[in-house]
Amino acid sequence: GAVVSQHPSRVICKSGTSVKIECRSLDFQATTMFWYRQFPKQSLMLMATSNEGSKATYEQGVEKDKFLINHASLTLSTLTVTSAHPEDSSFYICSAGGGTKQYFGPGTRLTVL
Amino acid sequence: GENVEQHPSTLSVQEGDSAVIKCTYSDSASNYFPWYKQELGKRPQLIIDIRSNVGEKKDQRIAVTLNKTAKHFSLHITETQPEDSAVYFCAARPNMEYGNKLVFGAGTILRVKS
Repeated sequence: GAVVSQHPSRVICKSGTSVKIECRSLDFQATTMFWYRQFPKQSLMLMATSNEGSKATYEQGVEKDKFLINHASLTLSTLTVTSAHPEDSSFYICSAGGGTKQYFGPGTRLTVL
Repeated sequence: GENVEQHPSTLSVQEGDSAVIKCTYSDSASNYFPWYKQELGKRPQLIIDIRSNVGEKKDQRIAVTLNKTAKHFSLHITETQPEDSAVYFCAARPNMEYGNKLVFGAGTILRVKS
């Protein structure tokens, strides 16, 4: 399957700081990438769809000013959690589509103190 | 919108037995149904998928069946092994109006006892 990388794998930050997470498709071009959030022992919750060269599409209830998404190239999408608070602590995973199939990155564990 | 329900939430089987996980979906226009396996702290891995024009697909010990009329699909794992222990998620892709995004079930924790 296709290879998707994510960086960093783990980040700990203080409340009020912003954190940027990168998602890269390594061996294919992805016009669309997806950002998910996963709480412990729960399912994947889609946050937004990242579209190359245009604005992201956010799911209902997700604050676009809180979770900034930039899809500047066909291989890179970034998620910035702005002014992070402890309730933003979670596992953030991106996925990229190769045609119909979606492949996930390894995830980023965010802990906000 | 699409809603995917997954059962059971937990499943324990003896090594060598079969495991079956079932999902139902609400949008009859959904046309693609993947299954993902997620080990603790790791990424979900695509293990098998099926399109709406196919009723069954098999890959070694893993098979997926789809009943479009009843709007449900199932994952079958035969001859289970301890390394099959993980969380399994089903998903459905709604009609093209939703682009290529997936709607996930709540997940099933599979434990294979040796």
